[in-house]
Amino acid sequence: EAQVTQNPRYLITVTGKKLTVTCSQNMNHEYMSWYRQDPGLGLRQIYYSMNVEVTDKGDVPEGYKVSRKEKRNFPLILESPSPNQTSLYFCASSFRNTNTGELFFGEGSRLTVL
Amino acid sequence: DAKTTQPPSMDCAEGRAANLPCNHSTISGNEYVYWYRQIHSQGPQYIIHGLKNNETNEMASLIITEDRKSSTLILPHATLRDTAVYYCIVRVGYSGYALNFGKGTSLLVTP
Repeated sequence: EAQVTQNPRYLITVTGKKLTVTCSQNMNHEYMSWYRQDPGLGLRQIYYSMNVEVTDKGDVPEGYKVSRKEKRNFPLILESPSPNQTSLYFCASSFRNTNTGELFFGEGSRLTVL
Repeated sequence: DAKTTQPPSMDCAEGRAANLPCNHSTISGNEYVYWYRQIHSQGPQYIIHGLKNNETNEMASLIITEDRKSSTLILPHATLRDTAVYYCIVRVGYSGYALNFGKGTSLLVTP
């Protein structure tokens, strides 16, 4: 089954404790992206990647890191989480060189930073 | 990618057509119009997309004006399960770049 898998789905952590949210897709997509969603602010893009070893900042990259060492994986790293990073996070992927460009989303990871 | 403008909320009676507008006045010639929806806090789901011509699939119809500066998503017979936030975005089909979904339109379908 074609899917984007995020882990963990739920996490409560404390300020300053490094964490990684993993994202994996099995559709051989070149493009992958991370979004955060906060009440009243819609979906905002954090980072995106056009292919392996190619990443770029979205609208709200501060406090986050990403890496794209393999095509299928695009982890989101919070080196020193703070309470303002409490949010619902989504990973998405799509083919790059296609006229459809449909984005496939994961189920979301709800993060709480105390 | 061009920015879009959508009304923050809309209501629709069950069984009626829901017409959701989107303004994308700065769209360029190679940008497609995409619609997604998000039910509760699930991941957004693709609905439909188009470039110039009107499109229809099993979920919805997409009407794009001739000048391509605006479009309308039509849910022909809205059901309670269509209650969701609907996002209109434009993007070059073969390019990712920074995709901003914005706040979308919150559609409430009432009995």
